[in-house]
Amino acid sequence: EAGVVQSPRYKIIEKKQPVAFWCNPISGHNTLYWYLQNLGQGPELLIRYENEEAVDDSQLPKDRFSAERLKGVDSTLKIQPAELGDSAVYLCASSLGGLQGAHEQFFGPGTRLTVL
Amino acid sequence: GENVEQHPSTLSVQEGDSAVIKCTYSDSASNYFPWYKQELGKGPQLIIDIRSNVGEKKDQRIAVTLNKTAKHFSLHITETQPEDSAVYFCAAIRSGSARQLTFGSGTQLTVLP
Repeated sequence: EAGVVQSPRYKIIEKKQPVAFWCNPISGHNTLYWYLQNLGQGPELLIRYENEEAVDDSQLPKDRFSAERLKGVDSTLKIQPAELGDSAVYLCASSLGGLQGAHEQFFGPGTRLTVL
Repeated sequence: GENVEQHPSTLSVQEGDSAVIKCTYSDSASNYFPWYKQELGKGPQLIIDIRSNVGEKKDQRIAVTLNKTAKHFSLHITETQPEDSAVYFCAAIRSGSARQLTFGSGTQLTVLP
């Protein structure tokens, strides 16, 4: 079974440029998460989707970050414009949702963003 | 909100020895505690988890213990091998509509051959 797929794996951009990350969750997983992981720290939740609905985006900096999950499957996370402090690894995760397996989250390999 | 503290931040052990990583949490309503292993350039991988109705869980060389009263849980790895070298994260979550995992800051485990 394929795991969570993310692309690109690496991205280098100059500050003030836009950037987008793409995530394909595990087939059948209704819940999708985007996390930010700074060097030497644990992942921090940015946004959580239940199907196509964003149900928790309280940690998403909405002035420059946006996300969408069209049709409740793939998702994209966008930053516009990027700042130096956005350099980090952006992780996507998915889970089954519902009471069964509600907590077990499966992570993708992440996208390492470097803003120059 | 939930706060998870993890220590030590780095841990070196000789191959074959045991390793123990400890975490404390603040929200007494948290009831699910997973442990993730993250290798360089990869995403975190779930290795074991425990729910609040269980005090201990074991899977081959790894085990997790939970003390709800003290609000702490620990990961135990026995007979360590070089391939166990990685960053380990603990996490906690409270069941319900807000399924937000709160992670610890990670432990870099190095198993010396």
